[in-house]
Amino acid sequence: DIQMTQSPSSLSASVGDRVTITCRASQSVSTYLNWYQQKPGKAPKLLIYTASGLQSGVPSRFSGSGSGTDFTLTISGLQPEDFATYYCQQSYSGPLYTFGQGTKLEIK
Amino acid sequence: EVQLLESGGGLVQPGGSLRLSCAATGFTFSSYGMSWVRQAPGKGLEWVSGISGSGGSTFYADSVKGRFTISRDNSKNTLYLQMNSLRAEDTALYYCAKKRGSESYDAFDYWGQGTLVIVSS
Repeated sequence: DIQMTQSPSSLSASVGDRVTITCRASQSVSTYLNWYQQKPGKAPKLLIYTASGLQSGVPSRFSGSGSGTDFTLTISGLQPEDFATYYCQQSYSGPLYTFGQGTKLEIK
Repeated sequence: EVQLLESGGGLVQPGGSLRLSCAATGFTFSSYGMSWVRQAPGKGLEWVSGISGSGGSTFYADSVKGRFTISRDNSKNTLYLQMNSLRAEDTALYYCAKKRGSESYDAFDYWGQGTLVIVSS
């Protein structure tokens, strides 16, 4: 099974900051890496697909990059509504998917 | 507008059974693979099971293989998850999720709001 490890598990940041979350796969997943945002009590929301594709309706301050085993999600200019938990997901072995453990982004 | 509405969750004793449903609207249901993803209280996301658009191919996480069965009725635009031999560790909010496209590597672009399953005596 492909294991996904996110870092950090949590971080504090301020409105306007640039934030980077990383995700590492236990083996290459090519660019089949997706990012989701989840707010408390809500379903996850797709932000980025296949490493760098911006899902329709998602603000351009969200961006993704990487290939192989190392990936990043960057939020440029944090907004109050961005404080949430973020998950990466590999779909290389789709439909046998694996999620990272999550990164909780909190207000400093 | 795409909508996914789960139902069927509840409190069940260990060893018991439950069937979850997910009613889909706003898209051509039979054209998309679907999955169930669960989230234990305070924990992360765990993919549970998936099914192709036709229903001809099904997939399971090792943690539920042999106990859970995914199915779909394309005439009713509904996805199901039959859960047998339930364990305490199956306690979670269960989401149904739609794949973004027809490829095996596609992400989940729409999710329901979830239905809560509690396994406890």
